[in-house]
Amino acid sequence: SAVISQKPSRDICQRGTSLTIQCQVDSQVTMMFWYRQQPGQSLTLIATANQGSEATYESGFVIDKFPISRPNLTFSTLTVSNMSPEDSSIYLCSVGQVTGYTFGSGTRLTVV
Amino acid sequence: GQQLNQSPQSMFIQEGEDVSMNCTSSSIFNTWLWYKQDPGEGPVLLIALYKAGELTSNGRLTAQFGITRKDSFLNISASIPSDVGIYFCAGQLLAGANSKLTFGKGITLSVRP
Repeated sequence: SAVISQKPSRDICQRGTSLTIQCQVDSQVTMMFWYRQQPGQSLTLIATANQGSEATYESGFVIDKFPISRPNLTFSTLTVSNMSPEDSSIYLCSVGQVTGYTFGSGTRLTVV
Repeated sequence: GQQLNQSPQSMFIQEGEDVSMNCTSSSIFNTWLWYKQDPGEGPVLLIALYKAGELTSNGRLTAQFGITRKDSFLNISASIPSDVGIYFCAGQLLAGANSKLTFGKGITLSVRP
């Protein structure tokens, strides 16, 4: 299965600032996804990162808050904009493959 | 929307015991997946099930895809301390890489030595 490198692994940010999370895959993949996992909770899909076009956002998530880039088939970024303490979560990149979905190790974000 | 139900939220077992976890849904899924998440890590795929009634094993793990396509269970036999973690079930409406996953809330497993 694909190997995913996600950076940074953790960060502490001031409210009102933005953080960009990077996801690098060691092979070309069609489908890349971004998830949020709030403390003690399950994974919630934020959006599907589409190569060459705008991301597809799930209900409750908007592009202005979570802009996503997907310049090629091995890389994507998620930006958490104008952060507030409620954005403190683990953000996970995932790729879809025939054998199942593989996840990165996540970015643990704390907003103070 | 679709939801997957996992309960209880936490389970405590003795090392060496077997444990079974269930996952149910009010709607049909065509693929069921079981993931384990260790602290500070992303979820790791344990078993994938693609066919109703399918029973699949991976070492000490066994999982089954319910015939109604609305449930699945995961069994862990002869538990060991490294089985500690959060176990998530996930459903996929369409098979393959192009369909999003719906996750259950997870079960936190503790294993007493």
